[in-house]
Amino acid sequence: DAGVIQSPRHEVTEMGQEVTLRCKPISGHDYLFWYRQTMMRGLELLIYFNNNVPIDDSGMPEDRFSAKMPNASFSTLKIQPSEPRDSAVYFCASSLTGRGGYTFGSGTRLTVV
Amino acid sequence: SQQGEEDPQALSIQEGENATMNCSYKTSINNLQWYRQNSGRGLVHLILIRSNEREKHSGRLRVTLDTSKKSSSLLITASRAADTASYFCATDDPSQGGSEKLVFGKGMKLTVNP
Repeated sequence: DAGVIQSPRHEVTEMGQEVTLRCKPISGHDYLFWYRQTMMRGLELLIYFNNNVPIDDSGMPEDRFSAKMPNASFSTLKIQPSEPRDSAVYFCASSLTGRGGYTFGSGTRLTVV
Repeated sequence: SQQGEEDPQALSIQEGENATMNCSYKTSINNLQWYRQNSGRGLVHLILIRSNEREKHSGRLRVTLDTSKKSSSLLITASRAADTASYFCATDDPSQGGSEKLVFGKGMKLTVNP
């Protein structure tokens, strides 16, 4: 397996633009997580899915953020409109119930100017 | 929300020395996990220890768990320059039932000098 695949690796966008981050989890994993990492706040859980169903989105900062998981092999995190304070590294991770341990993707470094 | 806190926040040692990192958390857990993050990369799962375990080994890693003190330690023996990274502890939340949700600490930067 190629691991958790995120795209793009880097994204630079202007304030107000829509940004879409993509994630392909490990085949067979039933959990998918979106985290955001900044120096100030560390790793923050934004939202997670179990069997493609959103379970907890209480970490999503505001209505500008949305996430979908249309099938077991694909998820998106969308920011619309983007703001400079959204600049961070966004990680996707997947796991399998009872097996313990997440597999993280390499992350998307988002810069909003 | 409960969150592990790593201590110290930064540690610099010489190659060959042992490195010990500590993690404290706030409420009961089912398991505690340690992760490593190299600069510019995603986190990598190192080891998981369950609440009914006191010690676990994996290669040069040794993890202990003291649920009465709500603390864990990660020991890396005979450190190498390649161990230079940030290390995170993460805890689950039993109140979430069987959820796999983890909360991560802010991490600890280990530098191993050659």
